[in-house]
Amino acid sequence: DAGITQSPRHKVTETGTPVTLRCHQTENHRYMYWYRQDPGHGLRLIHYSYGVKDTDKGEVSDGYSVSRSKTEDFLLTLESATSSQTSVYFCAISDGGTGAYEQYFGPGTRLTVT
Amino acid sequence: DAKTTQPNSMESNEEEPVHLPCNHSTISGTDYIHWYRQLPSQGPEYVIHGLTSNVNNRMASLAIAEDRKSSTLILHRATLRDAAVYYCILITSGAGSYQLTFGKGTKLSVIP
Repeated sequence: DAGITQSPRHKVTETGTPVTLRCHQTENHRYMYWYRQDPGHGLRLIHYSYGVKDTDKGEVSDGYSVSRSKTEDFLLTLESATSSQTSVYFCAISDGGTGAYEQYFGPGTRLTVT
Repeated sequence: DAKTTQPNSMESNEEEPVHLPCNHSTISGTDYIHWYRQLPSQGPEYVIHGLTSNVNNRMASLAIAEDRKSSTLILHRATLRDAAVYYCILITSGAGSYQLTFGKGTKLSVIP
């Protein structure tokens, strides 16, 4: 199994508070991704990174920011959490950005915003 | 990404082989065929991928039709742990990054 951990695994927070989710990898993969998964919407990309300090927006980036200061860590921040951001968040990694490369997923973080 | 079509659900007996079909009639020459699965309450899991030739790994085999308009994921001996939703996805092999978009997939049930 790819070495990907996410923390925390579960979090309950109040509307308006900032929240940071962490993804840590031990595979030295260049690409890292943050997805959210919701019933009826499937898997949606929030942001991704293609190297240290190199990030780009995905399909549903509003209300989220990311940072990558080290190869192994990719942080997702909800600046001011809203109830619509209640979801399961998955981090993924890949060694390359084309279809020749597979993505490996972390175990997920279940976030509830009350 | 081009569209794929999969059956909504399939059943298999434990320890029997399973053939999960996927149709992708609009596939382009540079599209990779990827398979992922997701067990209940777990993250998606990579299974296998290929471009033109059949592929084997420790989890499964991928059989790609000669015209590439369909493919089949083969689990050689189904176990209860293989009960999951299986997603067939086409990924364009362009520069830059790509995102995974899961459709409804095939829900595989394994009968003991």
